[in-house]
Amino acid sequence: GAVVSQHPSRVICKSGTSVKIECRSLDFQATTMFWYRQFPKQSLMLMATSNEGSKATYEQGVEKDKFLINHASLTLSTLTVTSAHPEDSSFYICSARTGGGDPYEQYFGPGTRLTVT
Amino acid sequence: GEDVEQSLFLSVREGDSSVINCTYTDSSSTYLYWYKQEPGAGLQLLTYIFSNMDMKQDQRLTVLLNKKDKHLSLRIADTQTGDSAIYFCALRGDSNYQLIWGAGTKLIIKP
Repeated sequence: GAVVSQHPSRVICKSGTSVKIECRSLDFQATTMFWYRQFPKQSLMLMATSNEGSKATYEQGVEKDKFLINHASLTLSTLTVTSAHPEDSSFYICSARTGGGDPYEQYFGPGTRLTVT
Repeated sequence: GEDVEQSLFLSVREGDSSVINCTYTDSSSTYLYWYKQEPGAGLQLLTYIFSNMDMKQDQRLTVLLNKKDKHLSLRIADTQTGDSAIYFCALRGDSNYQLIWGAGTKLIIKP
């Protein structure tokens, strides 16, 4: 149980275009979803936290107009990278929280490799 | 803010024990986690320890927590080739559900 999927797993896009990444909780309802960015040899950087039906809370330094997050249902959150540039190339990971109080709270998707050319 | 440090690489021989270390600065963390990341797969929670514990053992995995030195370690006994991965330590405070991550340690297994 507690499986999180991401789609697509890899995407290559041209500079200036927008890319949408989906994060789905397959067998549970995710009250909260998190979006991370991972650079090579670096830790995961939390970009934003989204609760179903409300606006996402962005971390300091993350442009909310560039990284649009929508959490329209309890099983789906999307991250749209608008007007992508090569510096946006990275590995994007989502995680979902069940809302329970146990320590196994966040379940991670397999990640999406974005390459902007 | 919280700082979590890990060595980037660890190389061990198959069959030996691997010890992956993590140091942190914030002593208010209530849960401390070890995650495993393999290529193409999501981060997998391996084990966790509460801040009021010193040690936790789960089959081949042993977690040691030294709160005085703010040091967390993960020992993998009888390391196998399937243990090759990047291992992250992560800390969580009690006031929110955000995790603070180390940079990850890549475990390399030599035959």
